[in-house]
Amino acid sequence: GAVVSQHPSRVICKSGTSVKIECRSLDFQATTMFWYRQFPKQSLMLMATSNEGSKATYEQGVEKDKFLINHASLTLSTLTVTSAHPEDSSFYICSARPGFQETQYFGPGTRLLVL
Amino acid sequence: DQQVKQNSPSLSVQEGRISILNCDYTNSMFDYFLWYKKYPAEGPTFLISISSIKDKNEDGRFTVFLNKSAKHLSLHIVPSQPGDSAVYFCAASLLSSGDKLTFGTGTRLAVRP
Repeated sequence: GAVVSQHPSRVICKSGTSVKIECRSLDFQATTMFWYRQFPKQSLMLMATSNEGSKATYEQGVEKDKFLINHASLTLSTLTVTSAHPEDSSFYICSARPGFQETQYFGPGTRLLVL
Repeated sequence: DQQVKQNSPSLSVQEGRISILNCDYTNSMFDYFLWYKKYPAEGPTFLISISSIKDKNEDGRFTVFLNKSAKHLSLHIVPSQPGDSAVYFCAASLLSSGDKLTFGTGTRLAVRP
């Protein structure tokens, strides 16, 4: 149990375009999902907390207008990178927490490359 | 401000021996700690966790020890296997803050056959 999926696994786009990444909890409901970013050889950095039915909470330094988060249902959160630029190229990972558990389970990640 | 630190970027261990990965934290308010294993280009996989009310938690070959006074936790893997070779991240959370995880910088473990 506690499986989280992400789609796509890898995306290459042109500078200035927008990219949507989906995060789904497959066998549980998640009122809260989290979005992380990992640059090469660095740790995972929390970008935002996605709350079902309400606005996301962004970490300091993360542009909410650039990284749009929508948590439309208890099993789906989406991250849209708007007007992507090469510096947005990174590995984006989502996580979700089942019900009353304290443990977060992570998706497989999405590799974004902006040309 | 790195609140969770893994001071050893890499560790090499012989197969069958014990692997000990260390993690230090600065925020005494953290009350839940987790270890994740990560392969390149994949999401982290949960290994084991420990609440601040405990000082040890064991699951098969994996044991996590927590020393609150020293703000230190460690992950022991016994016996180590080549398949354990990966990057290991410790993470800490403050349950009252909505479960946001703060990750360490990771330790790359290589288990030699």
